[in-house]
Amino acid sequence: EVQLLESGGGWVQPGGSLRLSCAASGFTFTSYAMSWVRQAPGKGLEWVSGITNGVETYYADSVKGRFTISRDNSKNAVYLQMNSLRTEDTAMYHCTKDHTSNNGKLDSFDSWGQGTLVTVSS
Amino acid sequence: DIQMTQSPSFVSASVGDTVTITCRASHDISNWLAWHQQKPGKAPKLLIHTATTLQSGVPSRFSGSGSGTDFTLTISSLQPEDFATYYCQQADSLHPTFGQGTKVEIQ
Repeated sequence: EVQLLESGGGWVQPGGSLRLSCAASGFTFTSYAMSWVRQAPGKGLEWVSGITNGVETYYADSVKGRFTISRDNSKNAVYLQMNSLRTEDTAMYHCTKDHTSNNGKLDSFDSWGQGTLVTVSS
Repeated sequence: DIQMTQSPSFVSASVGDTVTITCRASHDISNWLAWHQQKPGKAPKLLIHTATTLQSGVPSRFSGSGSGTDFTLTISSLQPEDFATYYCQQADSLHPTFGQGTKVEIQ
């Protein structure tokens, strides 16, 4: 069974930093692209960043230059380093797994973690 | 980025009804379209990928159709557990994007 467990969320002041982690299990981690998707309170879903199994990285324009995604295949983990946080970054952040293995691109998301809440407020 | 426009934003329906939700892409995305279901306080769940393929374990009352720019999710014989919010997601570009969501509520 695929499991994605996020951690690292919390409260931070504007301009601050947080590092989110996602521990993955139940599948061959090295074969799949992974992404972070966020949901602001009462709002819809927004893709934030993705990393292929070939470690190409991609970012939404809203976070480019502030957020950095990475993965550690030895630990079956993916990370999101978030710097220069803004109030509009307040959201639940979900880790997701791509549907298709070794695709070389980002795909539909077939597994989702429960999320970790990030609150940016003064 | 490719824009995804869902309609309607809100549907009021009864158990046993058939519900249809549409999603339009701003560019041709072939069949790179997924549908997700989200219940309050829960993570989203993949229902359909590549426009028409039912994800394993998803009931057959859910079906998807379309290609190019226009897509449809149909829920036949709505069940109490189907009342949720549904999102389309394009998986064609290197920047995946979602529709704004359609909330299906009990009439």
